[in-house]
Amino acid sequence: EAQVTQNPRYLITVTGKKLTVTCSQNMNHEYMSWYRQDPGLGLRQIYYSMNVEVTDKGDVPEGYKVSRKEKRNFPLILESPSPNQTSLYFCASSLADSYGYTFGSGTRLTVV
Amino acid sequence: KNQVEQSPQSLIILEGKNCTLQCNYTVSPFSNLRWYKQDTGRGPVSLTIMTFSENTKSNGRYTATLDADTKQSSLHITASQLSDSASYICVVTSSGTYKYIFGTGTRLKVLA
Repeated sequence: EAQVTQNPRYLITVTGKKLTVTCSQNMNHEYMSWYRQDPGLGLRQIYYSMNVEVTDKGDVPEGYKVSRKEKRNFPLILESPSPNQTSLYFCASSLADSYGYTFGSGTRLTVV
Repeated sequence: KNQVEQSPQSLIILEGKNCTLQCNYTVSPFSNLRWYKQDTGRGPVSLTIMTFSENTKSNGRYTATLDADTKQSSLHITASQLSDSASYICVVTSSGTYKYIFGTGTRLKVLA
């Protein structure tokens, strides 16, 4: 089944403790992206990648890192999480700009 | 500033009724416009994608329209069902970029 898989689905962590949210897609998509979704603000892009080793900042990249060493994986790294990074995170992939996104099921992160 | 605005913010209708959701955008240059359906806590799922030259596109009971001159789009849902209860998100892409500008969505509730 074609899908984008995120892990974990839920995560509670403490301020400053490094964490990684994994994202993997099995559709051979070149384009992948991370979003955060907060009430009343809609989805905001954190980082995106157009291909292996090609990444760029989205609208809200502060406090996040990404890497794209392989086509299928695009992990999101929070080196020192803070409470304002508490949010619902989505990974998405696409074959190309003219195609729709396939979204993962989301990761609900709480930083205390 | 590139923006996507949706109205209404929320809507309650009875099962079997029709409804229309609105999307106005100021994104330029325009590439395409997508409508997504997002169930609570889940990733958005693509309903339609429309390019500059398309006026209408249907996907089952969902019909999207696009007026590129007035920069408006609408999503019409026919004979609503309980399963249509969700948030509907309008997303616009600017030409030459991989940046997607998301609206904040319309939350639809269908009552029996």
